[in-house]
Amino acid sequence: EVQLVESGGGLVQPGGSLGLSCAASGFSFSNSEMNWVRQAPGKGLEWISYIDGGGTTIYYADSVKGRFTISRDNAKIALYLQMNSLRAEDTAVYYCARGLGSAWGQGTLVTVSS
Amino acid sequence: QPVLTQPTSLSASPGASARFTCTLRSGINVGTYRIYWYQQKPGSLPRFLLMYNSDSEKQQGSGVPSRFSGSKGASSNAGLLLISGLQSEDEADYYCAIWYSNTWVFGGGTKLTVL
Repeated sequence: EVQLVESGGGLVQPGGSLGLSCAASGFSFSNSEMNWVRQAPGKGLEWISYIDGGGTTIYYADSVKGRFTISRDNAKIALYLQMNSLRAEDTAVYYCARGLGSAWGQGTLVTVSS
Repeated sequence: QPVLTQPTSLSASPGASARFTCTLRSGINVGTYRIYWYQQKPGSLPRFLLMYNSDSEKQQGSGVPSRFSGSKGASSNAGLLLISGLQSEDEADYYCAIWYSNTWVFGGGTKLTVL
């Protein structure tokens, strides 16, 4: 069974940093493209970052470019998102997704507030 | 103008069919893109429903019933999701998406009410 489990969310002050993790199991992680998607309260889905299986091709949404960093450790079967210079508008549930959404984690809530 | 436009809401009766549209921005040809559809119930994570590119290239999500189907409207430049035999459990938000210019673009979502 494919499983994705995010962790690391929480409350952070504006300008602060937070790191998210996504533990994967049940599929060939190293051969899978992965994405981070977020959903602000009461809003729709917003893609924020992509990484290929080898970690060599990376894309970001303009809204997070220069502030967020996606990475992966295929040996640890984990996906990461380092978020810096956080803003109130980054408040959302953050999901990791396999490929273009064939599987999703349950999400982790990030709240940016003073 | 957004890359993908979806109506904000749709309502239909149990047993009827619901047709969702996902209109691509002018200049972006629906024939070129795989259209992905997701369902999200309140308080739950998104669920992959299906991908449709053509009748020869389509994929149903794991466990997704065949009453969910996809197509394209060339004249409307839109991706289409059809749910037949509506059930109360189908009440949810439905999102379309494409992989466009190295970004995964979502439509704004359509809220389906089954009444």
